Amino acid sequence: NAGVTQTPKFRVLKTGQSMTLLCAQDMNHEYMYWYRQDPGMGLRLIHYSVGEGTTAKGEVPDGYNVSRLKKQNFLLGLESAAPSQTSVYFCASSYPGLAGSSYNEQFFGPGTRLTVL
Amino acid sequence: AQTVTQSQPEMSVQEAETVTLSCTYDTSESNYYLFWYKQPPSRQMILVIRQEAYKQQNATENRFSVNFQKAAKSFSLKISDSQLGDTAMYFCAFMKPGGEDSNYQLIWGAGTKLIIKP
Repeated sequence: NAGVTQTPKFRVLKTGQSMTLLCAQDMNHEYMYWYRQDPGMGLRLIHYSVGEGTTAKGEVPDGYNVSRLKKQNFLLGLESAAPSQTSVYFCASSYPGLAGSSYNEQFFGPGTRLTVL
Repeated sequence: AQTVTQSQPEMSVQEAETVTLSCTYDTSESNYYLFWYKQPPSRQMILVIRQEAYKQQNATENRFSVNFQKAAKSFSLKISDSQLGDTAMYFCAFMKPGGEDSNYQLIWGAGTKLIIKP
């Protein structure tokens, strides 16, 4: 049981290049999230998904796209990278349990450090 | 909208001492969840402790305990008998309970860097 994994762990891009970050979970979780972490700030939600085939915008979605074609995978894409997207990206997943469950714990991947030059 | 504030960017204590990290939050919700996460240099996010707002009793997990003051919207973390392995960033986070308008999103504070000195 690997939990939540992220690929790659590190990446350096030039401005204007594109790339896709892959998040995979083997816990059969319904919900998946992409966050970014910047110095001096808490994590901020970029996009999330409440199930296979669904995605929704979070707090800071501009410049990113996502897809959830398979339940276990959540992809984050940067079509034209900008220096402002230099950050550490975290993926998380959770299982809401029973319908209307009041709480679910989020499990985090190890993060991807992205630098855009 | 909910906000979470951690007013201590960095703290350091000697090994075996007790340290308290502060967190305040703002919400109009009456029921919610509060969390403390630890992020060591490995970058991995680790859940330390969770508090449910409708529970008056403060949560405790071994050396970690919270002081939850709902009226004051305060949620501090106390680490007793601190160890070198406690050196990490600590984040306070807020979650609305499940429901039609909830995606279980976590709202995060900016974090406190805790250094345990030998």
